[in-house]
Amino acid sequence: QSALTQPPSASGSPGQSVTISCTGTSSDVGGYNYVSWYQQHPGKAPKLMIYEVSKRPSGVPDRFSGSKSGNTASLTVSGLQAEDEADYYCSSYAGSNNFEVVFGGGTKLTVL
Amino acid sequence: EVQLVESGGGLVQPGGSLRLSCAASGFTFSDHYMDWVRQAPGKGLEWVGRTRNKANSYTTEYAASVKGRFTISRDDSKNSLYLQMNSLKTEDTAVYYCARDGGITGTSGMDVWGQGTTVTVSS
Repeated sequence: QSALTQPPSASGSPGQSVTISCTGTSSDVGGYNYVSWYQQHPGKAPKLMIYEVSKRPSGVPDRFSGSKSGNTASLTVSGLQAEDEADYYCSSYAGSNNFEVVFGGGTKLTVL
Repeated sequence: EVQLVESGGGLVQPGGSLRLSCAASGFTFSDHYMDWVRQAPGKGLEWVGRTRNKANSYTTEYAASVKGRFTISRDDSKNSLYLQMNSLKTEDTAVYYCARDGGITGTSGMDVWGQGTTVTVSS
């Protein structure tokens, strides 16, 4: 199963909104409502930000939101803050015959 | 405090074996699906595999890149997860993370991660 496609970089100024896309196929993103998003700061473990397309774990600010349309999922960060600068990865259930989890290649979000 | 702590990483020659451990605390380990995820130096995240919970017969799934070489197991009595890695290749060099799935059905994302343990495969 191929990795999901994310833009390598995204940027925005403090207070602005930025959206990161995650494109897959009907065998992963399009076929299941099990898309998750992770934030990773340098040298740190990933942190779950969104699960099941649009649900936020306890403690994650409501500035982070997720959505999906067809084979593309999106993460929107509103009211950008300096601490949002990090790498972001999407993931999805995948495979009609053999279960697996696939990740996107990651997007480096820069707060200008 | 909910916590996962990996151990067992190190330097190993190509073709060698290594066993990683992940000690869980602060939650009911037996209820949860558990995953291994790795990250090669300077690269993105790659799912390695998963073990389901007791209610789902502890079944396992693996990425194609490690299937037949890696084995995931768990010991609920010890709140521990394991990754046995055989026939290691240089491309297996990575930081290996264990992670908990947030729900009990394996669909809620990986909500708790360990700090990672580094595996280097080199001659």
